[in-house]
Amino acid sequence: AQSVSQHNHHVILSEAASLELGCNYSYGGTVNLFWYVQYPGQHLQLLLKYFSGDPLVKGIKGFEAEFIKSKFSFNLRKPSVQWSDTAEYFCAVSPPKGGFQKLVFGTGTRLLVSP
Amino acid sequence: AAGVIQSPRHLIKEKRETATLKCYPIPRHDTVYWYQQGPGQDPQFLISFYEKMQSDKGSIPDRFSAQQFSDYHSELNMSSLELGDSALYFCASSSGQNNSPLHFGNGTRLTVT
Repeated sequence: AQSVSQHNHHVILSEAASLELGCNYSYGGTVNLFWYVQYPGQHLQLLLKYFSGDPLVKGIKGFEAEFIKSKFSFNLRKPSVQWSDTAEYFCAVSPPKGGFQKLVFGTGTRLLVSP
Repeated sequence: AAGVIQSPRHLIKEKRETATLKCYPIPRHDTVYWYQQGPGQDPQFLISFYEKMQSDKGSIPDRFSAQQFSDYHSELNMSSLELGDSALYFCASSSGQNNSPLHFGNGTRLTVT
């Protein structure tokens, strides 16, 4: 079945540690890829997006993600996390059928950064 | 900058009642999307509108309906509410152009008792 998978449901890190959150999708064809962040009690905010071009995408707040087409992956990274990065992170895909911007979300990864 | 505005922020209803959620998109955005996020779950696409016409439909129950008005705001109408409808309902808007990202509102938290 077509889906978006986030392998880590909960991640706990200390400040200054490096972060990598995995995201794999199973759609064939051209897709658009997104990472959203949801701080406690707040709405989803766009961290970064990939449509085409350079597969290494830089987003806000020092986040970046790499699209690896052969692995159907779009992993999120940050070299050094801060306490304020505590949030839930959602990978999302805009599939090639059914609407250009209809997003399909992964199940989310809850990140806790301890000071 | 103006964001997507949703009202109300919180809503408590009893089973079998009806609820109406409102969404006001960012100015000049002509496309609106509704998502439902259950407790501890990922957001699920419900329905979208482009230029006041339904453009796509996801996992929206038949008890729900929605429309987009001439000023581009949208309303999600929910009838015969069930306990399982308790969730955070997000609205998002975009300009409808290719590669235009979605901007989400703060959501309406609906609790059905």
